[in-house]
Amino acid sequence: QVQLQESGPGLVKPSETLSLTCTVSGGSIRTYYWSWIRQPPGKGLEWIGYIFHSGSTDYNPSLKSRVTISVDTSKNQFSLKLSSVTAADTAVYYCARDEVTKRLFDIWGQGTMVTVSS
Amino acid sequence: QSALTQPASVSGSPGQSITISCTGTSSDVGGYNYVSWYQQHPGKAPKLMIYEVSNRPSGVSNRFSGSKSGNTASLTISGLQAEDEANYYCSSYTSSSTLVFGGGTKLTVL
Repeated sequence: QVQLQESGPGLVKPSETLSLTCTVSGGSIRTYYWSWIRQPPGKGLEWIGYIFHSGSTDYNPSLKSRVTISVDTSKNQFSLKLSSVTAADTAVYYCARDEVTKRLFDIWGQGTMVTVSS
Repeated sequence: QSALTQPASVSGSPGQSITISCTGTSSDVGGYNYVSWYQQHPGKAPKLMIYEVSNRPSGVSNRFSGSKSGNTASLTISGLQAEDEANYYCSSYTSSSTLVFGGGTKLTVL
């Protein structure tokens, strides 16, 4: 079955760019939309944005100015870049399969903790 | 877009039923039937339990049910079991074409 795995640095310095990759296995990245969602320690979930294999994207307006999501269909991967990070961006970052027509996330990665600190 | 409002905590004894509310506005919960519920155990990724207000994905127990009235959606868990103890989050599509989550509810099984 489809599985997702996040990867990337666990520590990022303030003002730098956070970069994460999600690898999709057990299925093609071409058949669904794919989202990034984050969860600060002890807090709730926040949708960051999604991408389709064509490169079409949509972002949370609150993060739109700092977010870029891209896709590499040859590697069955999609990626997140979040620029100008601050301590408020410290969170567990999840990638998820996005059934965009129903606005649900039915498959999630295990999540990766990213800490913003000097 | 503000987060949807959920009670911080609810509790119940094994075998009982509990309901978790999720209150939004006419621009999100009240305006669309795209309300989902997720269960999250500590240190784990969320799991989809309910979508489109009241639909259960394959494999989710029929002890879980969802409903909506006006701007408030609800998740009901019947026949409470120890393994139901977790955090629960609602989400809704919004008129801004984005997705918003609730703040989460911690369910304690006494």
